[in-house]
Amino acid sequence: DQQVKQNSPSLSVQEGRISILNCDYTNSMFDYFLWYKKYPAEGPTFLISISSIKDKNEDGRFTVFLNKSAKHLSLHIVPSQPGDSAVYFCAASEGNTGFQKLVFGTGTRLLVSP
Amino acid sequence: EAGVAQSPRYKIIEKRQSVAFWCNPISGHATLYWYQQILGQGPKLLIQFQNNGVVDDSQLPKDRFSAERLKGVDSTLKIQPAKLEDSAVYLCASSLVRGTSRQETQYFGPGTRLLVL
Repeated sequence: DQQVKQNSPSLSVQEGRISILNCDYTNSMFDYFLWYKKYPAEGPTFLISISSIKDKNEDGRFTVFLNKSAKHLSLHIVPSQPGDSAVYFCAASEGNTGFQKLVFGTGTRLLVSP
Repeated sequence: EAGVAQSPRYKIIEKRQSVAFWCNPISGHATLYWYQQILGQGPKLLIQFQNNGVVDDSQLPKDRFSAERLKGVDSTLKIQPAKLEDSAVYLCASSLVRGTSRQETQYFGPGTRLLVL
């Protein structure tokens, strides 16, 4: 049962353009969402997060949008840079647990070409 | 600040053998996590420690996997005996939280890539 889904395994974008990565979830108890970036042979690194009380959170070139009614979130990268080429994981945690327990999606590989 | 350290980085074993992975979290981080990431999938939480106590091990296959965190610092994850389907990257993460904050950032180590033949 895949509670967090990233239906696009890969995405190719030209440098300077916008990258949009999508994520859907099925568990209505999820109330905190995160994006992690992973380079080869390294562990995932935290990128940006959003609480369910918000619908947008911005940090520099990265913006995460949350649509609770559609159970959908997206990560926008503007402008995209070659160094953004990595695998991006969406993750979510439930509100009824006392501790952070993350459920990850399967990842989307982003390739930004010069 | 040093990151999360893991060793070994790579391990190849035959099925039915035993293997152990080691993790040293970021200094002062109370919470430690072990994840399994199978090729093509996202990380899946195996076990979570708060200091040296287990918070969640609901997804740990306890018939063959075990983990401990002595003295609330370093941790080891063991598989005995290994199966072919255990081939994966085993990631360790840590976070600073000492309370029940669910918005604490998890910092990941580079992982141990295990291949079971």
